[in-house]
Amino acid sequence: NAGVTQTPKFRILKIGQSMTLQCAQDMNHNYMYWYRQDPGMGLKLIYYSVGAGITDKGEVPNGYNVSRSTTEDFPLRLELAAPSQTSVYFCASSYGGSDYGYTFGSGTRLTVV
Amino acid sequence: AQSVTQPDIHITVSEGASLELRCNYSYGATPYLFWYVQSPGQGLQLLLKYFSGDTLVQGIKGFEAEFKRSQSSFNLRKPSVHWSDAAEYFCAVVWGNSGGGADGLTFGKGTHLIIQP
Repeated sequence: NAGVTQTPKFRILKIGQSMTLQCAQDMNHNYMYWYRQDPGMGLKLIYYSVGAGITDKGEVPNGYNVSRSTTEDFPLRLELAAPSQTSVYFCASSYGGSDYGYTFGSGTRLTVV
Repeated sequence: AQSVTQPDIHITVSEGASLELRCNYSYGATPYLFWYVQSPGQGLQLLLKYFSGDTLVQGIKGFEAEFKRSQSSFNLRKPSVHWSDAAEYFCAVVWGNSGGGADGLTFGKGTHLIIQP
C-alpha cells in the first residue's frame, strides 16, 4: 500500500537550475495537489489537477509548472530555481466527492542556494 | 477570500494537562473541517474530520474536536497530553461549494505544541 510517493526526499539546487519533483499515487484518485510549506505559514496550494490532462493554478503558482498525463503521476517542474523556492513540498491526492479523503506524501525538502 | 485562522502560533502545556487548540474559519458555504498533525520532519497525519451530523467528533490518539457553527470554530481538544503529542497541528477546510473538494484544502498557519515535563 504505497499511497502517495514523492521523490526525491531532499535536494539542493543552485540558483537558475531546473528540476522536477515527482509524485505518484496508486489509489486511482482523480484529484492531485502540490503544496509548499514554509515555516509559520502553513501549507499553500501551488497547482492542482482534477484528472488526466486537466490542471489549474492554486494560490502560489508563479515559478512552477505541472502536467498530468496519467491518473497516477503529477510532476512539479521548477524551471529557474530561486531562493524563494526553498521550501518543503507536499503532494497529495483525493478521490473527490463526498469522501474528501486526502492522502499526503512524505514531502520533498528543497534548498536553493 | 475564504480563510482559516489558528490564533495561537505556539502553545506550551504540561504533560498530563488538558489541551485546546483553536481554529476559526471565515464564513462561507458548508465547511468540511479537518485537523492534521505533523511531527518534525514528517508528513501530515489526519487526526479527525467533520462533515455533518454530531458536532463533537472523535479522532485518533485521544483527540476530539467540536464544530460550532455560530462561532465559526472547530477547536481541537485532548483531556491529557503526552510528551509524544509535541508537534505542529494544522486546521484545514474544504468548502462545500468547491466542486467536491477539487480545489483542495485551505490550511491555517499551524500551532506548535510544546509539552513541558
